[in-house]
Amino acid sequence: AQRVTQPEKLLSVFKGAPVELKCNYSYSGSPELFWYVQYSRQRLQLLLRHISRESIKGFTADLNKGETSFHLKKPFAQEEDSAMYYCALSGTGTASKLTFGTGTRLQVTL
Amino acid sequence: KAGVTQTPRYLIKTRGQQVTLSCSPISGHRSVSWYQQTPGQGLQFLFEYFSETQRNKGNFPGRFSGRQFSNSRSEMNVSTLELGDSALYLCASSLGVSGGRETQYFGPGTRLLVL
Repeated sequence: AQRVTQPEKLLSVFKGAPVELKCNYSYSGSPELFWYVQYSRQRLQLLLRHISRESIKGFTADLNKGETSFHLKKPFAQEEDSAMYYCALSGTGTASKLTFGTGTRLQVTL
Repeated sequence: KAGVTQTPRYLIKTRGQQVTLSCSPISGHRSVSWYQQTPGQGLQFLFEYFSETQRNKGNFPGRFSGRQFSNSRSEMNVSTLELGDSALYLCASSLGVSGGRETQYFGPGTRLLVL
């Protein structure tokens, strides 16, 4: 079975402060990990995936297989980062099934 | 390219009725997946279709079914609606060529309210 855990429902930070959104997963094989974001009144969209090793909008995420984590980080939060963030996992042999975490709402305040 | 589109955007039904939701994927995408989003259960995978065949299925009762047409458009059907079926139903498309481990592009969703 595959499972994704996002322990925080809400994360509130000040503008300019560092951000870390936590994601832990449970999967026996080699997973593909994603971060999806949903801005207010917009559709769910991909932020980044671990295999591409990109930095998108200043966000990065490193897959730590030892700790089974894929935390999302940004050194300096911006107001426009306020959104709902979902960590998701795709396993081997499971076609296009994404298993999502429950999501963390990031609130960036002045 | 145009994004994933879903129709209708909003729907109100009563218990016992059935409903059909439609999804048009991004041009060239052959895989369509469906998800149910509720405040209590979050985002849950319903099923995936690729080349008109169901390739993967989540843990939902048989009242939830789907199909895919030769142009990759997909429909999902829920029969004998229950109050608990009230949710946002999301459709996502992808190329479908890498065994499924690809970026999925989501539609805006259809919000279903069952009274």
